[in-house]
Amino acid sequence: NAGVMQNPRHLVRRRGQEARLRCSPMKGHSHVYWYRQLPEEGLKFMVYLQKENIIDESGMPKERFSAEFPKEGPSILRIQQVVRGDSAAYFCASSPRTGNNEKLFFGSGTQLSVL
Amino acid sequence: RKEVEQDPGPFNVPEGATVAFNCTYSNSASQSFFWYRQDCRKEPKLLMSVYSSGNEDGRFTAQLNRASQYISLLIRDSKLSDSATYLCVVNRGGTASKLTFGTGTRLQVTL
Repeated sequence: NAGVMQNPRHLVRRRGQEARLRCSPMKGHSHVYWYRQLPEEGLKFMVYLQKENIIDESGMPKERFSAEFPKEGPSILRIQQVVRGDSAAYFCASSPRTGNNEKLFFGSGTQLSVL
Repeated sequence: RKEVEQDPGPFNVPEGATVAFNCTYSNSASQSFFWYRQDCRKEPKLLMSVYSSGNEDGRFTAQLNRASQYISLLIRDSKLSDSATYLCVVNRGGTASKLTFGTGTRLQVTL
């Protein structure tokens, strides 16, 4: 009974390169959420997706960041032309439904380091 | 003002002690509340939901005061394994995408 799977666990990129972070939700979960955690800060919501749809991207930076959750395969968070300020832990979470009391199950995160 | 505020700590307590964390939230329309636990560099894990009537799960007790917009977590008989950062989480309503995380309170339990 695999939980939320994220890969890679660690990703090192040079400034200007692209970063692709992958997330496979728990079996039976169709709602995926991406969060970013900067050092010494709380988790910040980025985007909420269901299969093939972006439901809420209010937390996504306007440029360079995009996310998708295709019909087949994992959800992808893509960061183009990375900068040092993108260095952070990126967590994906999933839930079987959505609603006020819905609990999120988190993956182990991808630590992105931009050199 | 942050939407969810917590004392960052650290709280250093001996094994067996009772420790309490507080959290305040600014949005009076918030609808649901949680405590998550995060170990160093790992993913947050749900500890417990917080209900208006207060709720208990073993050594952990959570309380909510809607009038004061205040949430608390009490840990009795602290164990070394309780050492972690405790995140206060508030849902502004609608969907789980409205969850707002506090920056966390760090607990260190010592021998």
